[in-house]
Formats: sequence, C-alpha cells, structure tokens
Amino acid sequence: AQKVTQAQTEISVVEKEDVTLDCVYETRDTTYYLFWYKQPPSGELVFLIRRNSFDEQNEISGRYSWNFQKSTSSFNFTITASQVVDSAVYFCALSEENRDDKIIFGKGTRLHILP
Amino acid sequence: GAGVSQSPRYKVAKRGQDVALRCDPISGHVSLFWYQQALGQGPEFLTYFQNEAQLDKSGLPSDRFFAERPEGSVSTLKIQRTQQEDSAVYLCASSLFRLSGESDQPQHFGDGTRLSIL
Repeated sequence: AQKVTQAQTEISVVEKEDVTLDCVYETRDTTYYLFWYKQPPSGELVFLIRRNSFDEQNEISGRYSWNFQKSTSSFNFTITASQVVDSAVYFCALSEENRDDKIIFGKGTRLHILP
Repeated sequence: GAGVSQSPRYKVAKRGQDVALRCDPISGHVSLFWYQQALGQGPEFLTYFQNEAQLDKSGLPSDRFFAERPEGSVSTLKIQRTQQEDSAVYLCASSLFRLSGESDQPQHFGDGTRLSIL
C-alpha cells in the first residue's frame, strides 16, 4: 500500500536558519513520483517539485533543495536561509505509475519562521 | 482564467442540506481532480475526470457525494444530505495531461471551498 509519513507535525526556526522537512514513503511500485507542495495560509496548494523514482539526483532550486534517497525511501526537503515568507504547511506526496490519477499526501509539516 | 477557480470560497450549510461546489479548471486542461482536506490533514483524493469521463471515483466517501463534468470543463461536486463530518476544505486541481504521464505538467490547485456543516 502507498503511504507518506511526515513525522514532523510542526517546526519553528528563527529566520535565516536552515531547516529540513522529512518525508518517508511506502510503495510497492518500482515506478512512482514524489512531490512537495506548499500550502500558505491562503489555502492554495503550490507545486514545488516532482521527482521520478528513477532519478535520484538531488535537486537545488534557489534556497530549496531536495534529497531523494531510494535506499531509505526518503525524500527530504531543505530550505536554506529561511525567510518569514516560507511559513506554511508543506506536504510531501506520492503517486504510482499505474495509478497516476491520484496523489497520496502526507499529513503535512507546519513550518513557522520566526522573525 | 489564469488559474483554477473554485466557488464559493466559503459555504455554511445546515446538516441535511444539499450543497454544490464548483470548479473552473485552467482552460484546455484535460484532467480534473477533487480532493477533500480535513482540518490539520493532508488532502485526500476523491475523484478524477479525464475530459467528461469520470475515470476514478474510488475516493468518494459515500453515495451522498456526486461529481460531474458534463462538457469536459467546469466540474461540480455535489454533497447530498450533508453531515457534520463533511466539513472540510474541498480542493480542485487540473492538469494538462494525466497526473504523471507524458508531461511534467503538475497539478494546479485552486484555493478550495471551505465547507462548514452546522
């Protein structure tokens, strides 16, 4: 069965600190996709990244970076030099190749960046 | 429009009433998805359309939930005889193709409809 676990319910860090959001997933498929979404207070889900299970290269986009470790079924997300505007709920998610009509979301990590 | 539009933004209904939630996807997007997000939880899949065809409705929690997309664009999620446990944010998303198919096009989400059942 598919499952996404975000063990950190809530994290608070002071602005400019680095912060890593953990994500562990379970799937029986060999081909799957992993996602991170940001949900600010406005409620809209903002797409951050989609990663194919065959591509284990880490990715960096500005202050954001993602570490995909297939051996530990983890897809962690790091924000470097955090800013107050990064405060939001962050969701890790999974979809399987043969069931690509649905995304399975984790319960989210609420991130507070304190000024 | 520029993004996925959902209306109303907020809906309050008394238990037992029927409600209808509207989703206007991005023009030209083939796929449309509905999700339910309870307070403090991640979104949970409800149903999926490819054009006007409802290909998966396995996430609909009961037969009181019904979704349609008759012309392959606007979609309506209807909940009959609402119950308090239906209170949630209902999110709609659209994508150009299938979720994770030929393209890297992500799902684009609307702001959601916050439904409160009294």
